[in-house]
Amino acid sequence: GNSVTQMEGPVTLSEEAFLTINCTYTATGYPSLFWYVQYPGEGLQLLLKATKADDKGSNKGFEATYRKETTSFHLEKGSVQVSDSAVYFCALSGNFGNEKLTFGTGTRLTIIP
Amino acid sequence: GAGVSQSPSNKVTEKGKDVELRCDPISGHTALYWYRQSLGQGLEFLIYFQGNSAPDKSGLPSDRFSAERTGGSVSTLTIQRTQQEDSAVYLCASSHGIGRGGGDTQYFGPGTRLTVL
Repeated sequence: GNSVTQMEGPVTLSEEAFLTINCTYTATGYPSLFWYVQYPGEGLQLLLKATKADDKGSNKGFEATYRKETTSFHLEKGSVQVSDSAVYFCALSGNFGNEKLTFGTGTRLTIIP
Repeated sequence: GAGVSQSPSNKVTEKGKDVELRCDPISGHTALYWYRQSLGQGLEFLIYFQGNSAPDKSGLPSDRFSAERTGGSVSTLTIQRTQQEDSAVYLCASSHGIGRGGGDTQYFGPGTRLTVL
């Protein structure tokens, strides 16, 4: 079955540091890949996504590239801000009737000023 | 427009009681999902409705859990004879649904926090 392995947290960084959160997956076929974010006290919201190999998703300065050869979708940001403190979830879905999401365990990110 | 709404936001119940959790999806979304978020299990899929098709119930943890979706819109998740291990945040999501190919974005509601005493 499908699975997502995500970098264990928590991660603590100083403001303006470079961020990488690793994510690898196991899936049959051609899944779509997602990063969801959960800010303190808020619900899950989509951060970015990619639907095919070599696609790059980007939003709010975050980027992730769908790497089929390494089955990875690592999240990166060049300069983090305090407001990026949140829990980040990597996820995948199948296609055409199999779109339920399989999530990683989540990575709690804390940015200190 | 309005997002996904869920009610109640919090529910405290006694072991053995039945509970009903409600989800109002985004208008026009044909796909609806229920997930559960708990400390021990992370985020896990429960059930998926797509239009008039038979629901995918493969994630329901036991036969105490059931869900229905009336008129292709509102959904209710029912947990019978609740147990302490059912304590979790229950999340509902909706999306445009099948036919849009891959990467159909799911929009999540705020969740219902269920506590079973």
